Amino acid sequence: GAVVSQHPSWVICKSGTSVKIECRSLDFQATTMFWYRQFPKQSLMLMATSNEGSKATYEQGVEKDKFLINHASLTLSTLTVTSAHPEDSSFYICSAREGGQVEEQFFGPGTRLTVL
Amino acid sequence: GQNIDQPTEMTATEGAIVQINCTYQTSGFNGLFWYQQHAGEAPTFLSYNVLDGLEEKGRFSSFLSRSKGYSYLLLKELKLKDSASYLCALLDSNYQLIWGAGTKLIIKP
Repeated sequence: GAVVSQHPSWVICKSGTSVKIECRSLDFQATTMFWYRQFPKQSLMLMATSNEGSKATYEQGVEKDKFLINHASLTLSTLTVTSAHPEDSSFYICSAREGGQVEEQFFGPGTRLTVL
Repeated sequence: GQNIDQPTEMTATEGAIVQINCTYQTSGFNGLFWYQQHAGEAPTFLSYNVLDGLEEKGRFSSFLSRSKGYSYLLLKELKLKDSASYLCALLDSNYQLIWGAGTKLIIKP
C-alpha cells in the first residue's frame, strides 16, 4: 500500500526558533499533500493544501508567513513553523493524495512538536 | 456549509458489537470515510462509502444513506485493541476531507 513518512516524529524546541517537518510519499507520486494540526482531544484541523510546483492554499485563520509550506517535488513537502511559540505545540500530520486518485488520502505517522 | 456530528464517547464490552453513528449536512458530497486513530498516532483508513448501502470488511462494516445524510461504522467481536477514536470524514465537492470531532470508543473486559 501507499506509504507516507514524516520526519522528525517528535521535536522539542525553544520559543522563537524555527522547526522544519518533512513529509515524503515513499512509493507513489503525491500531486497533492495536506497538512493538518491536531490539539489534544480534538479532531484534525486542515491547515493547508499544497500541489506540487505551486503555492499552498491556506485555510482561514492559518498564517501563511508563520507556517511555510514547500512542495517542490512529487514526493516531498515540508512545513516550517517559523518563530515557534508554546501555543504552536501540537501534533502535525501530513497526508498525500496520488495523482489521478481523488478520494483516498494516505497519512503520515505525525510529528509531535513541543515548544518550550 | 458543512457539518458533521458523531457521539463524543461510547463504551462497549469485549466480544460485543458496537455501532458508531455519523450524521452530516453538506452541499457537495464525494464520499464518506471512517478512520481509526489511536492516541498519539495518525489516523488509519478503515472504509470509504460513496454509494448507499453496507460495505463489509472483516469485523468492521460501514453503512451510508446519502438521502438521510447518515453513516454508521459497525464493529463486531470487539477486542481491547479496538479502543481508539473513530473519525467520520466526508469528502466535499472540492475533494477536501471535512472531519468530524471523532468518537472515543472504550472497550472494557
